Amino acid sequence: QVQLVQSGAEVKKPGASVKVSCKASGYTFGNHDIDWVRQANGQGLEWMGWMNPKSGNTGYAQRFQGRVTMTRNSSISIAYMELRSLTYEDTAVYYCIRGLGGPANRRFDPWGQGTLVTVSA
Amino acid sequence: QSVLTQPPSVSGAPGQRVTISCTGSSSNIGARYDVHWYQQVPGTAPRLLIYDNNNRPSGVPDRFSGSKSGTSASLTISGLQAEDEADYFCQSYDYMLSGSRVFGTGTKVTVL
Repeated sequence: QVQLVQSGAEVKKPGASVKVSCKASGYTFGNHDIDWVRQANGQGLEWMGWMNPKSGNTGYAQRFQGRVTMTRNSSISIAYMELRSLTYEDTAVYYCIRGLGGPANRRFDPWGQGTLVTVSA
Repeated sequence: QSVLTQPPSVSGAPGQRVTISCTGSSSNIGARYDVHWYQQVPGTAPRLLIYDNNNRPSGVPDRFSGSKSGTSASLTISGLQAEDEADYFCQSYDYMLSGSRVFGTGTKVTVL
C-alpha cells in the first residue's frame, strides 16, 4: 500500500536547523509531488510547500521562503525538508504528504505519520 | 493566518446529522477551486475524507458527503457515530497567495 514514513522526533536549539526525511513506498516516487504541512500543538494545519521528485522543482509558501529547502534522493525514494533559523514558534508536528491532482486542485493523500520538532534552549 | 473559516466546534447525538461549513472568498472557493476535507482523530495524522468537493476515497463511509456553493463549502455527516469524533479541516487553493494551498481553521466534532 502507499505509505510515507518519516524520521523521528527532533529537539533543536533556537537558531539551529532541522532536516526531516520522508520515505515513500507503494507507488512510483517520481509521479507525484511531495508537499509538507505543519501543525503546532492543538492548532490548525499550515501548508509549507511542495517538491516535484522527478524534476526537483519546488514551490514554497511565502512565509517560509528563504528559510526552507525541500529536496529528494530519487534513487531511494526519500524526500527531505530542511528548516533553518528555528524559533520557538517552529515547534510543531511536520507532515509529508503525497500530492494528487493538479497545482490548483491539489489534495493530500496519504499523510506521513508526522515528525515532532521541538525548539528548546 | 487561515483564509478558510470553519466553526470551532459542532456536536450531535449518535444518529444525528451534523454539517460543518467552510467559508472562503473570491480568491479561493469562489474562484471555483475544488475543496477537499480531512479527518484527524486526536494523536494521529489527518486522512483524506472528501476530495474535489463531493467525492469519497475508497474506504470512506457514505455517511460523509460534501458540497460547494459560491464562496463556501460544507461537509455533512449523516448518522453520526462515536468514531466520528475528531477534528475536520477543509482545504483549497488561493490564487492571491502565490500558489498556496490553504486550510480551514478546523472544527472539532463531539458525539454526545
